[in-house]
Amino acid sequence: DVKVTQSSRYLVKRTGEKVFLECVQDMDHENMFWYRQDPGLGLRLIYFSYDVKMKEKGDIPEGYSVSREKKERFSLILESASTNQTSMYLCASSLQGWSPLHFGNGTRLTVT
Amino acid sequence: AQKITQTQPGMFVQEKEAVTLDCTYDTSDPSYGLFWYKQPSSGEMIFLIYQGSYDQQNATEGRYSLNFQKARKSANLVISASQLGDSAMYFCAMRETQGGSEKLVFGKGTKLTVNP
Repeated sequence: DVKVTQSSRYLVKRTGEKVFLECVQDMDHENMFWYRQDPGLGLRLIYFSYDVKMKEKGDIPEGYSVSREKKERFSLILESASTNQTSMYLCASSLQGWSPLHFGNGTRLTVT
Repeated sequence: AQKITQTQPGMFVQEKEAVTLDCTYDTSDPSYGLFWYKQPSSGEMIFLIYQGSYDQQNATEGRYSLNFQKARKSANLVISASQLGDSAMYFCAMRETQGGSEKLVFGKGTKLTVNP
């Protein structure tokens, strides 16, 4: 079974802090994704990566950056956390092509 | 413009009955993929079913089937013989190509409640 692991289930940070959300997958998937999920808005794509050191902006990249130095690891970075970034963050991975995404359990981030 | 539209914020169904969750999509790409995911209250996203734009037949997976009407750009999920454990959020999603790579765009979801 594919396993996508997000380092934290719950995280509380202060406004202005730099925040790192880590995601690791164990199935040698090429594609990795970061989404945020908010009530009534569904899942919105922040960034995705289709190869090591490659990244593409999703629909809401503002205020975020990403890093993919190794194939199995995809990090989401909030350079200066703000209260409007309080959300559930979901990481996912997939093979290339039309294969389904496999999701981690999510990180619920609260910025105070 | 919204690419995936789920018009039903909430749906209710009696146990053992069938239910249809609506999904319409918007794309000009002839090649695309449509997915349905289930998210129980525990939060994990569970892949249910996939339909490719060139597939001639509607996809089925156990109690799940996808009513794919290409001309109408709809991909409705049908759950037969509903069970209490089917109560969850359901998301429709479309795979599309951006800059030579592929991404998945989600709708806002439908909350399904199965009543005993």
